Amino acid sequence: GESVGLHLPTLSVQEGDNSIINCAYSNSASDYFIWYKQESGKGPQFIIDIRSNMNKRQGQRVTVLLNKTVKHLSLQIAATQPGDSAVYFCAEKEYNQGGKLIFGQGTELSVKP
Amino acid sequence: SAVISQKPSRDICQRGTSLTIQCQVDSQVTMMFWYRQQPGQSLTLIATANQGSEATYESGFVIDKFPISRPNLTFSTLTVSNMSPEDSSIYLCSVSGYDEQYFGPGTRLTVT
Repeated sequence: GESVGLHLPTLSVQEGDNSIINCAYSNSASDYFIWYKQESGKGPQFIIDIRSNMNKRQGQRVTVLLNKTVKHLSLQIAATQPGDSAVYFCAEKEYNQGGKLIFGQGTELSVKP
Repeated sequence: SAVISQKPSRDICQRGTSLTIQCQVDSQVTMMFWYRQQPGQSLTLIATANQGSEATYESGFVIDKFPISRPNLTFSTLTVSNMSPEDSSIYLCSVSGYDEQYFGPGTRLTVT
């Protein structure tokens, strides 16, 4: 079969800067959203989540913003570190669809020391 | 959070053969999911496997190609049958509570 190369959107930032990763989701009925971090050779790691009745949620160095009007989700990482280099995925869930999580395209974050 | 292990972690298989991937969770969970991640791509849901019922497959995935077992609340298997090079992917097991969802480390499959 045809070989598919890596073609995720990429974001390159300097260590110490803030990073903003964006995601457009498709289902206006989605109730719940998660951001995952995936390092090479590993499974996705939960970062932060938000329910659809909220528009902002903060964690340690991370903030998720939800704009339901335009179906947009963003992940902000403060003081980005080299260890933050990874692929970041957003995912959405509609509770009455059996709880399954549908993933967005993903963004590769590269942090320059 | 749940701790999920998968076996094997990677394998190289010949076309036409089958591989069974095991997923073990350290706690009882109702909902388990199997995902595929093709090289450089995002995750695609294959099926939902709840204990005591047949797996529910997503569009584009069929039971004959990806049979799933869910014998109890801590274990599941996914078989990739009659493999072709297009099946080369990472296969991931996942478990969910009401909200949060956690993933295993994945099984990296290469079909030659």
